[in-house]
Amino acid sequence: DAKTTQPPSMDCAEGRAANLPCNHSTISGNEYVYWYRQIHSQGPQYIIHGLKNNETNEMASLIITEDRKSSTLILPHATLRDTAVYYCIVRVWTGANNLFFGTGTRLTVIP
Amino acid sequence: EAQVTQNPRYLITVTGKKLTVTCSQNMNHEYMSWYRQDPGLGLRQIYYSMNVEVTDKGDVPEGYKVSRKEKRNFPLILESPSPNQTSLYFCASSFEGGTEQYFGPGTRLTVT
Repeated sequence: DAKTTQPPSMDCAEGRAANLPCNHSTISGNEYVYWYRQIHSQGPQYIIHGLKNNETNEMASLIITEDRKSSTLILPHATLRDTAVYYCIVRVWTGANNLFFGTGTRLTVIP
Repeated sequence: EAQVTQNPRYLITVTGKKLTVTCSQNMNHEYMSWYRQDPGLGLRQIYYSMNVEVTDKGDVPEGYKVSRKEKRNFPLILESPSPNQTSLYFCASSFEGGTEQYFGPGTRLTVT
């Protein structure tokens, strides 16, 4: 699975959009981009995933560049409850369901 | 409510005393996994299962055993726990390999 690079930490003002970048320059054509988050020491929570098209759901939007070498997770209106560690993961769809969680980005939403 | 449950949530034990951490899911998922989380190392997969009676090693399987006799349950067994197995453990399940994984609340294990 491709390696990802994320900034270790970011701050965002409450109510503003939080844009979390992820670099995955060695991604293969059959690898998807997944985002999970972990609030304190709770179990990680799935947010969104995509292959090459931009995706949106009730939690967030995922913007993947045309060359697929990077992506951005957007939380449109960050709240204090969005303070968490966000993980960008790249992997193929099939096979073992291993998710390689790196160190992620610690997002702090500031009142 | 769709969920993954783990028991116990907290456990303090001594070196060498066999223990089992249970994991159960009510979503009829095919795939189940165990992860451990340690500071600075992120989450690492211990074992996974793609179906009943089908299990395989993840990245850090040494010192652990698993079984999948029923679709809903995937217990993690430490036959002879050691202090380096002190960690936060998560069970997860998914419908198939690529779909979103649902994680349990975690089990904090301390081995003295």
